[in-house]
Amino acid sequence: AQSVTQLGSHVSVSEGALVLLRCNYSSSVPPYLFWYVQYPNQGLQLLLKYTSAATLVKGINGFEAEFKKSETSFHLTKPSAHMSDAAEYFCAVSDGGAQKLVFGQGTRLTINP
Amino acid sequence: GAVVSQHPSWVICKSGTSVKIECRSLDFQATTMFWYRQFPKQSLMLMATSNEGSKATYEQGVEKDKFLINHASLTLSTLTVTSAHPEDSSFYICSARFPGPSYEQYFGPGTRLTVT
Repeated sequence: AQSVTQLGSHVSVSEGALVLLRCNYSSSVPPYLFWYVQYPNQGLQLLLKYTSAATLVKGINGFEAEFKKSETSFHLTKPSAHMSDAAEYFCAVSDGGAQKLVFGQGTRLTINP
Repeated sequence: GAVVSQHPSWVICKSGTSVKIECRSLDFQATTMFWYRQFPKQSLMLMATSNEGSKATYEQGVEKDKFLINHASLTLSTLTVTSAHPEDSSFYICSARFPGPSYEQYFGPGTRLTVT
């Protein structure tokens, strides 16, 4: 069975600083991995996805993530944080056949001015 | 592209009544849609998988007679909360699986249900 662990329920960085949100996964099959962002009282927006092509994936809003099989990780990074990046971020893994997404518990990103 | 809408965005209903939430994929066809429930400051909990033209598959612990799901077309799925009670108050989010092999899902904006 697939599972996702997001390290840190709350991450706080200064505006302009590096953003690093950690995600580790467990999967019995080659995984499809996703990062989503959720703003208050809204649905989830897809930031980026890994689907077994390039291990470094670039997404929207300057975010990127690197798939590391040896570490079973898919950490999300952004070189320079903006105030508008403050939101909840979810890492998810697809279970393939059943097409379901398994979500991590989420990480709330706060940006300090 | 890949836009999913939900209606209504918020609804208040009285205990014992039923409420229907619609989920539409606006610019793609979705054979599979999903319904999630989200409690404050928590992750999404998958309630059921909705497949066009067939019965929904419910996750363990979700009452299928209480949460009725109908996937009538390739662009519309509905969730009906029957005989709603205050404990059903929550944020309900739907998603639609985008066609293709990558299993990515696009999410609606959510519906805030308050049962009084």
